[in-house]
Order: sequence, then structure tokens, then C-alpha cells
Amino acid sequence: GAVVSQHPSWVICKSGTSVKIECRSLDFQATTMFWYRQFPKQSLMLMATSNEGSKATYEQGVEKDKFLINHASLTLSTLTVTSAHPEDSSFYICSATPGSGGTEAFFGQGTRLTVV
Amino acid sequence: AQSVAQPEDQVNVAEGNPLTVKCTYSVSGNPYLFWYVQYPNRGLQFLLKYITGDNLVKGSYGFEAEFNKSQTSFHLKKPSALVSDSALYFCAVRDFGGSYIPTFGRGTSLIVHP
Repeated sequence: GAVVSQHPSWVICKSGTSVKIECRSLDFQATTMFWYRQFPKQSLMLMATSNEGSKATYEQGVEKDKFLINHASLTLSTLTVTSAHPEDSSFYICSATPGSGGTEAFFGQGTRLTVV
Repeated sequence: AQSVAQPEDQVNVAEGNPLTVKCTYSVSGNPYLFWYVQYPNRGLQFLLKYITGDNLVKGSYGFEAEFNKSQTSFHLKKPSALVSDSALYFCAVRDFGGSYIPTFGRGTSLIVHP
């Protein structure tokens, strides 16, 4: 199957700082990637759809100025949590679907963010 | 609109016994259906999918799922559970010809007891 790599796996940061999470498709090109947030023992909450070369599409209630998404190439999307607060602590996961007939999504390993 | 329901928060089964994790869906058109597994602090791993063809779909790690159009269900099954199967399982649906964004169920925690 296709491989999506997410980095870092975990990060601890101080309140007020920014954190960048990378999502790479290693063996396929992804014009679209998805960013999810997952709370403990809960399902995935879609935050935004990242589109290569254009602005991300954010879901209702997600602050686009806090969660900056950049999809500069066909294999890399980044999520930057700006001015992080403890309530931003969560598990963030990216996914991508190979183009040209791909159906299932492939997920990164996830990033555990802890803001102290 | 598309939606997925996983009616059980948790399923408990003894090792060696068959297991079933339930999923029902709703789409306007024809469904693409998926099962994923998530281990603690990990991303989701793809298990299997139904697109078209045989209603019984076989996937990774001995799992299979049966597509039932009349009951709009796609239950995940395994004939003999292993302790290592203990994890969080997600069902997902996409509407063929509709949104390319899958909708995920809330997840079912599978606990296999030794």
C-alpha cells in the first residue's frame, strides 16, 4: 500500500509558541491531503482539506489563522499550530489518497502534541 | 449526505472466538466502504474495502467484511480472534460520485481477552 509519513511523532511545546507538523506521501503524489484531530477515545475530526498550490479548505469551527496549512508540493503538506495553548493538545493525523483511481485513504503515524 | 454508525463503543471477545464489529452506513448513491484499525498513539491502518463485486471482502490480518446492501451494513469479522487484534476499529464510507472525503464512524474498541 501507499505510504504516508508524518513528523514528528510527538512534540511538547510551551504555550505561545508555534509547532509545525509535516505530512509526506512517500511513494505517490497527493494533490489533496487531509488533516484530522482526534481526542482521546473519540473519532477523527476533519479539520481541513489541503490542496496543492491553493488555499486549504477548513471545516466549520476550525480557526484557519491558528491552524495554518501549506501544501507547497505534491508530496508535502504542513500544519502549523500557531500560538499554541494547552487546549490545542491533541493527536493530529494526516491522510492522503493516491490520485488516478485511488479509493482508500492512507494515514500518517499521527503527532501527539502536548502544550505546557 | 453520507454517514456511518458504529453502534458499539466496545466489543469484548475471548481469544480464539469469532468476532464481529458492526457498521451501518447511509449514502445517496453507491457506497465505497472501508475498515481501518488504530493502535494506541498511531495513525489508522487500512484493513479492507468494498467498491464493487463480491459482497464478502477479505483484507489484512485475516479480517473480512460483508457488504449487505439491503441492510446497509458492512460488518467486520474474523473467525478466530487474537489478543493482538485488540485495538480501535473505524468504519468509513464515501459516496461514489459524491464527496471524495470519507466519513468515519466513531470507532469501536475491540478487546480480546486471553
